[in-house]
Amino acid sequence: DAMVIQNPRYQVTQFGKPVTLSCSQTLNHNVMYWYQQKSSQAPKLLFHYYDKDFNNEADTPDNFQSRRPNTSFCFLDIRSPGLGDAAMYLCATSSRVGGQPQHFGDGTRLSIL
Amino acid sequence: TQLLEQSPQFLSIQEGENLTVYCNSSSVFSSLQWYRQEPGEGPVLLVTVVTGGEVKKLKRLTFQFGDARKDSSLHITAAQPGDTGLYLCAGAVSGGSNYKLTFGKGTLLTVNP
Repeated sequence: DAMVIQNPRYQVTQFGKPVTLSCSQTLNHNVMYWYQQKSSQAPKLLFHYYDKDFNNEADTPDNFQSRRPNTSFCFLDIRSPGLGDAAMYLCATSSRVGGQPQHFGDGTRLSIL
Repeated sequence: TQLLEQSPQFLSIQEGENLTVYCNSSSVFSSLQWYRQEPGEGPVLLVTVVTGGEVKKLKRLTFQFGDARKDSSLHITAAQPGDTGLYLCAGAVSGGSNYKLTFGKGTLLTVNP
């Protein structure tokens, strides 16, 4: 019954080798988010989509890009991963009604060799 | 400057003890959520509070939203090892984007048997 599904759960890539993380949702929510979370810290918002409108956080490095081809899917592309990009990446969704809670996937743990 | 100050950051207690986690801000929130996150998983919503002074109970967990909607607390009665996890408060700032949540830094709770 998973509603926000992230694949893969674990991803290992090499320093500088592009990597793509995926997220799908069955909630038909308008808003999708990508967060970066480092060990036992709060999630840090990278960007979000409201429908097809992309909203980047001011401090998100250019190395991070995102695509949302349709309502159900959203991708996080890291063009040239550095060691500092090793983290848990969380996808979340929420409905268009303001103030609604966010529904999180179980995350993708990214390791950089 | 952290918009949502969450305390304590770490808490280690024995099974059966009570505890309270606090979330404080100088900003007014239109809604505030509490999440629990277990290792290797995404945050799971526990509760949403929207009305100043609101109290919600979820079994042994009691959540309170301050009258001025600037602070919140989570009280756990008779903690159990299954309560172990990272507790996150997150809110939508009143007058700001309702689609973005401001997270506290989290409280890492360990309940020892």
